[in-house]
Amino acid sequence: GAVVSQHPSRVICKSGTSVKIECRSLDFQATTMFWYRQFPKQSLMLMATSNEGSKATYEQGVEKDKFLINHASLTLSTLTVTSAHPEDSSFYICSAGTASPNYGYTFGSGTRLTVV
Amino acid sequence: AQSVTQPDIHITVSEGASLELRCNYSYGATPYLFWYVQSPGQGLQLLLKYFSGDTLVQGIKGFEAEFKRSQSSFNLRKPSVHWSDAAEYFCAVGQAAGNKLTFGGGTRVLVKP
Repeated sequence: GAVVSQHPSRVICKSGTSVKIECRSLDFQATTMFWYRQFPKQSLMLMATSNEGSKATYEQGVEKDKFLINHASLTLSTLTVTSAHPEDSSFYICSAGTASPNYGYTFGSGTRLTVV
Repeated sequence: AQSVTQPDIHITVSEGASLELRCNYSYGATPYLFWYVQSPGQGLQLLLKYFSGDTLVQGIKGFEAEFKRSQSSFNLRKPSVHWSDAAEYFCAVGQAAGNKLTFGGGTRVLVKP
C-alpha cells in the first residue's frame, strides 16, 4: 500500500517552454502533496506543500509563478515548470501524505528534468 | 525549526561487514523519524520509520534503527552488508503525520568486495 506514481521519469525540453510533472497516489487519498527538488549529489529540498482544493504553500526562495502546483483531487497533484531555463534542470520528487501515520511518507520515483 | 545532521558524507564498508549510519536531529517535541535509501537516478525508498513505542525499529532489507532521545539520535544499522546496499541514505524528521519532512545531507555508502 501507499504507492505514489510520478510521471514522466525523464523529460528534456527547450529553454522557454513549460513542462508538467504528475504525481498520483494510487491506493490512498492524499490530503497533502509535497514537491522536493534535488540537485546532483545533494539532499532533498522542499519546494512547496499543496493541500487538495487549496493554494500551495511555497518555501522561501521558491518562485510560485515559475513552479505552478495544482492539487485538484485527492489523488493527483501536478507541478508545472514554466518558461524553463537550464538552471531549472534538476531531479524533482513528489511525496504524498495523509493525517494517518500509516500512510504517506512514500515518494514517487522522481523526474529528471533537463532544459537545453 | 527542525534540522537533521548526518555527520558522515561517505562510508566505505566491506561486503559482509556491519554498517552504522549516524543521524542526529534537532526538534523540540517527539519527532517522526525516517530513513530512506536512494539508488542513482531513482526515487526514495522508505527503509523504516519511528513514531512512538519501542525505540528499536525494524525495517526492510535487514535494516534497523534505534531512537535515543537523550542523544537526539536515530542511527541506522545493518549487521551484514550486501553489495546491493551501495546507495545514498537519507535520514529525515517530521513534526506529525502528514507533515513535511526535513532531510539530512545524506550518506553515500560504498561496498567493497
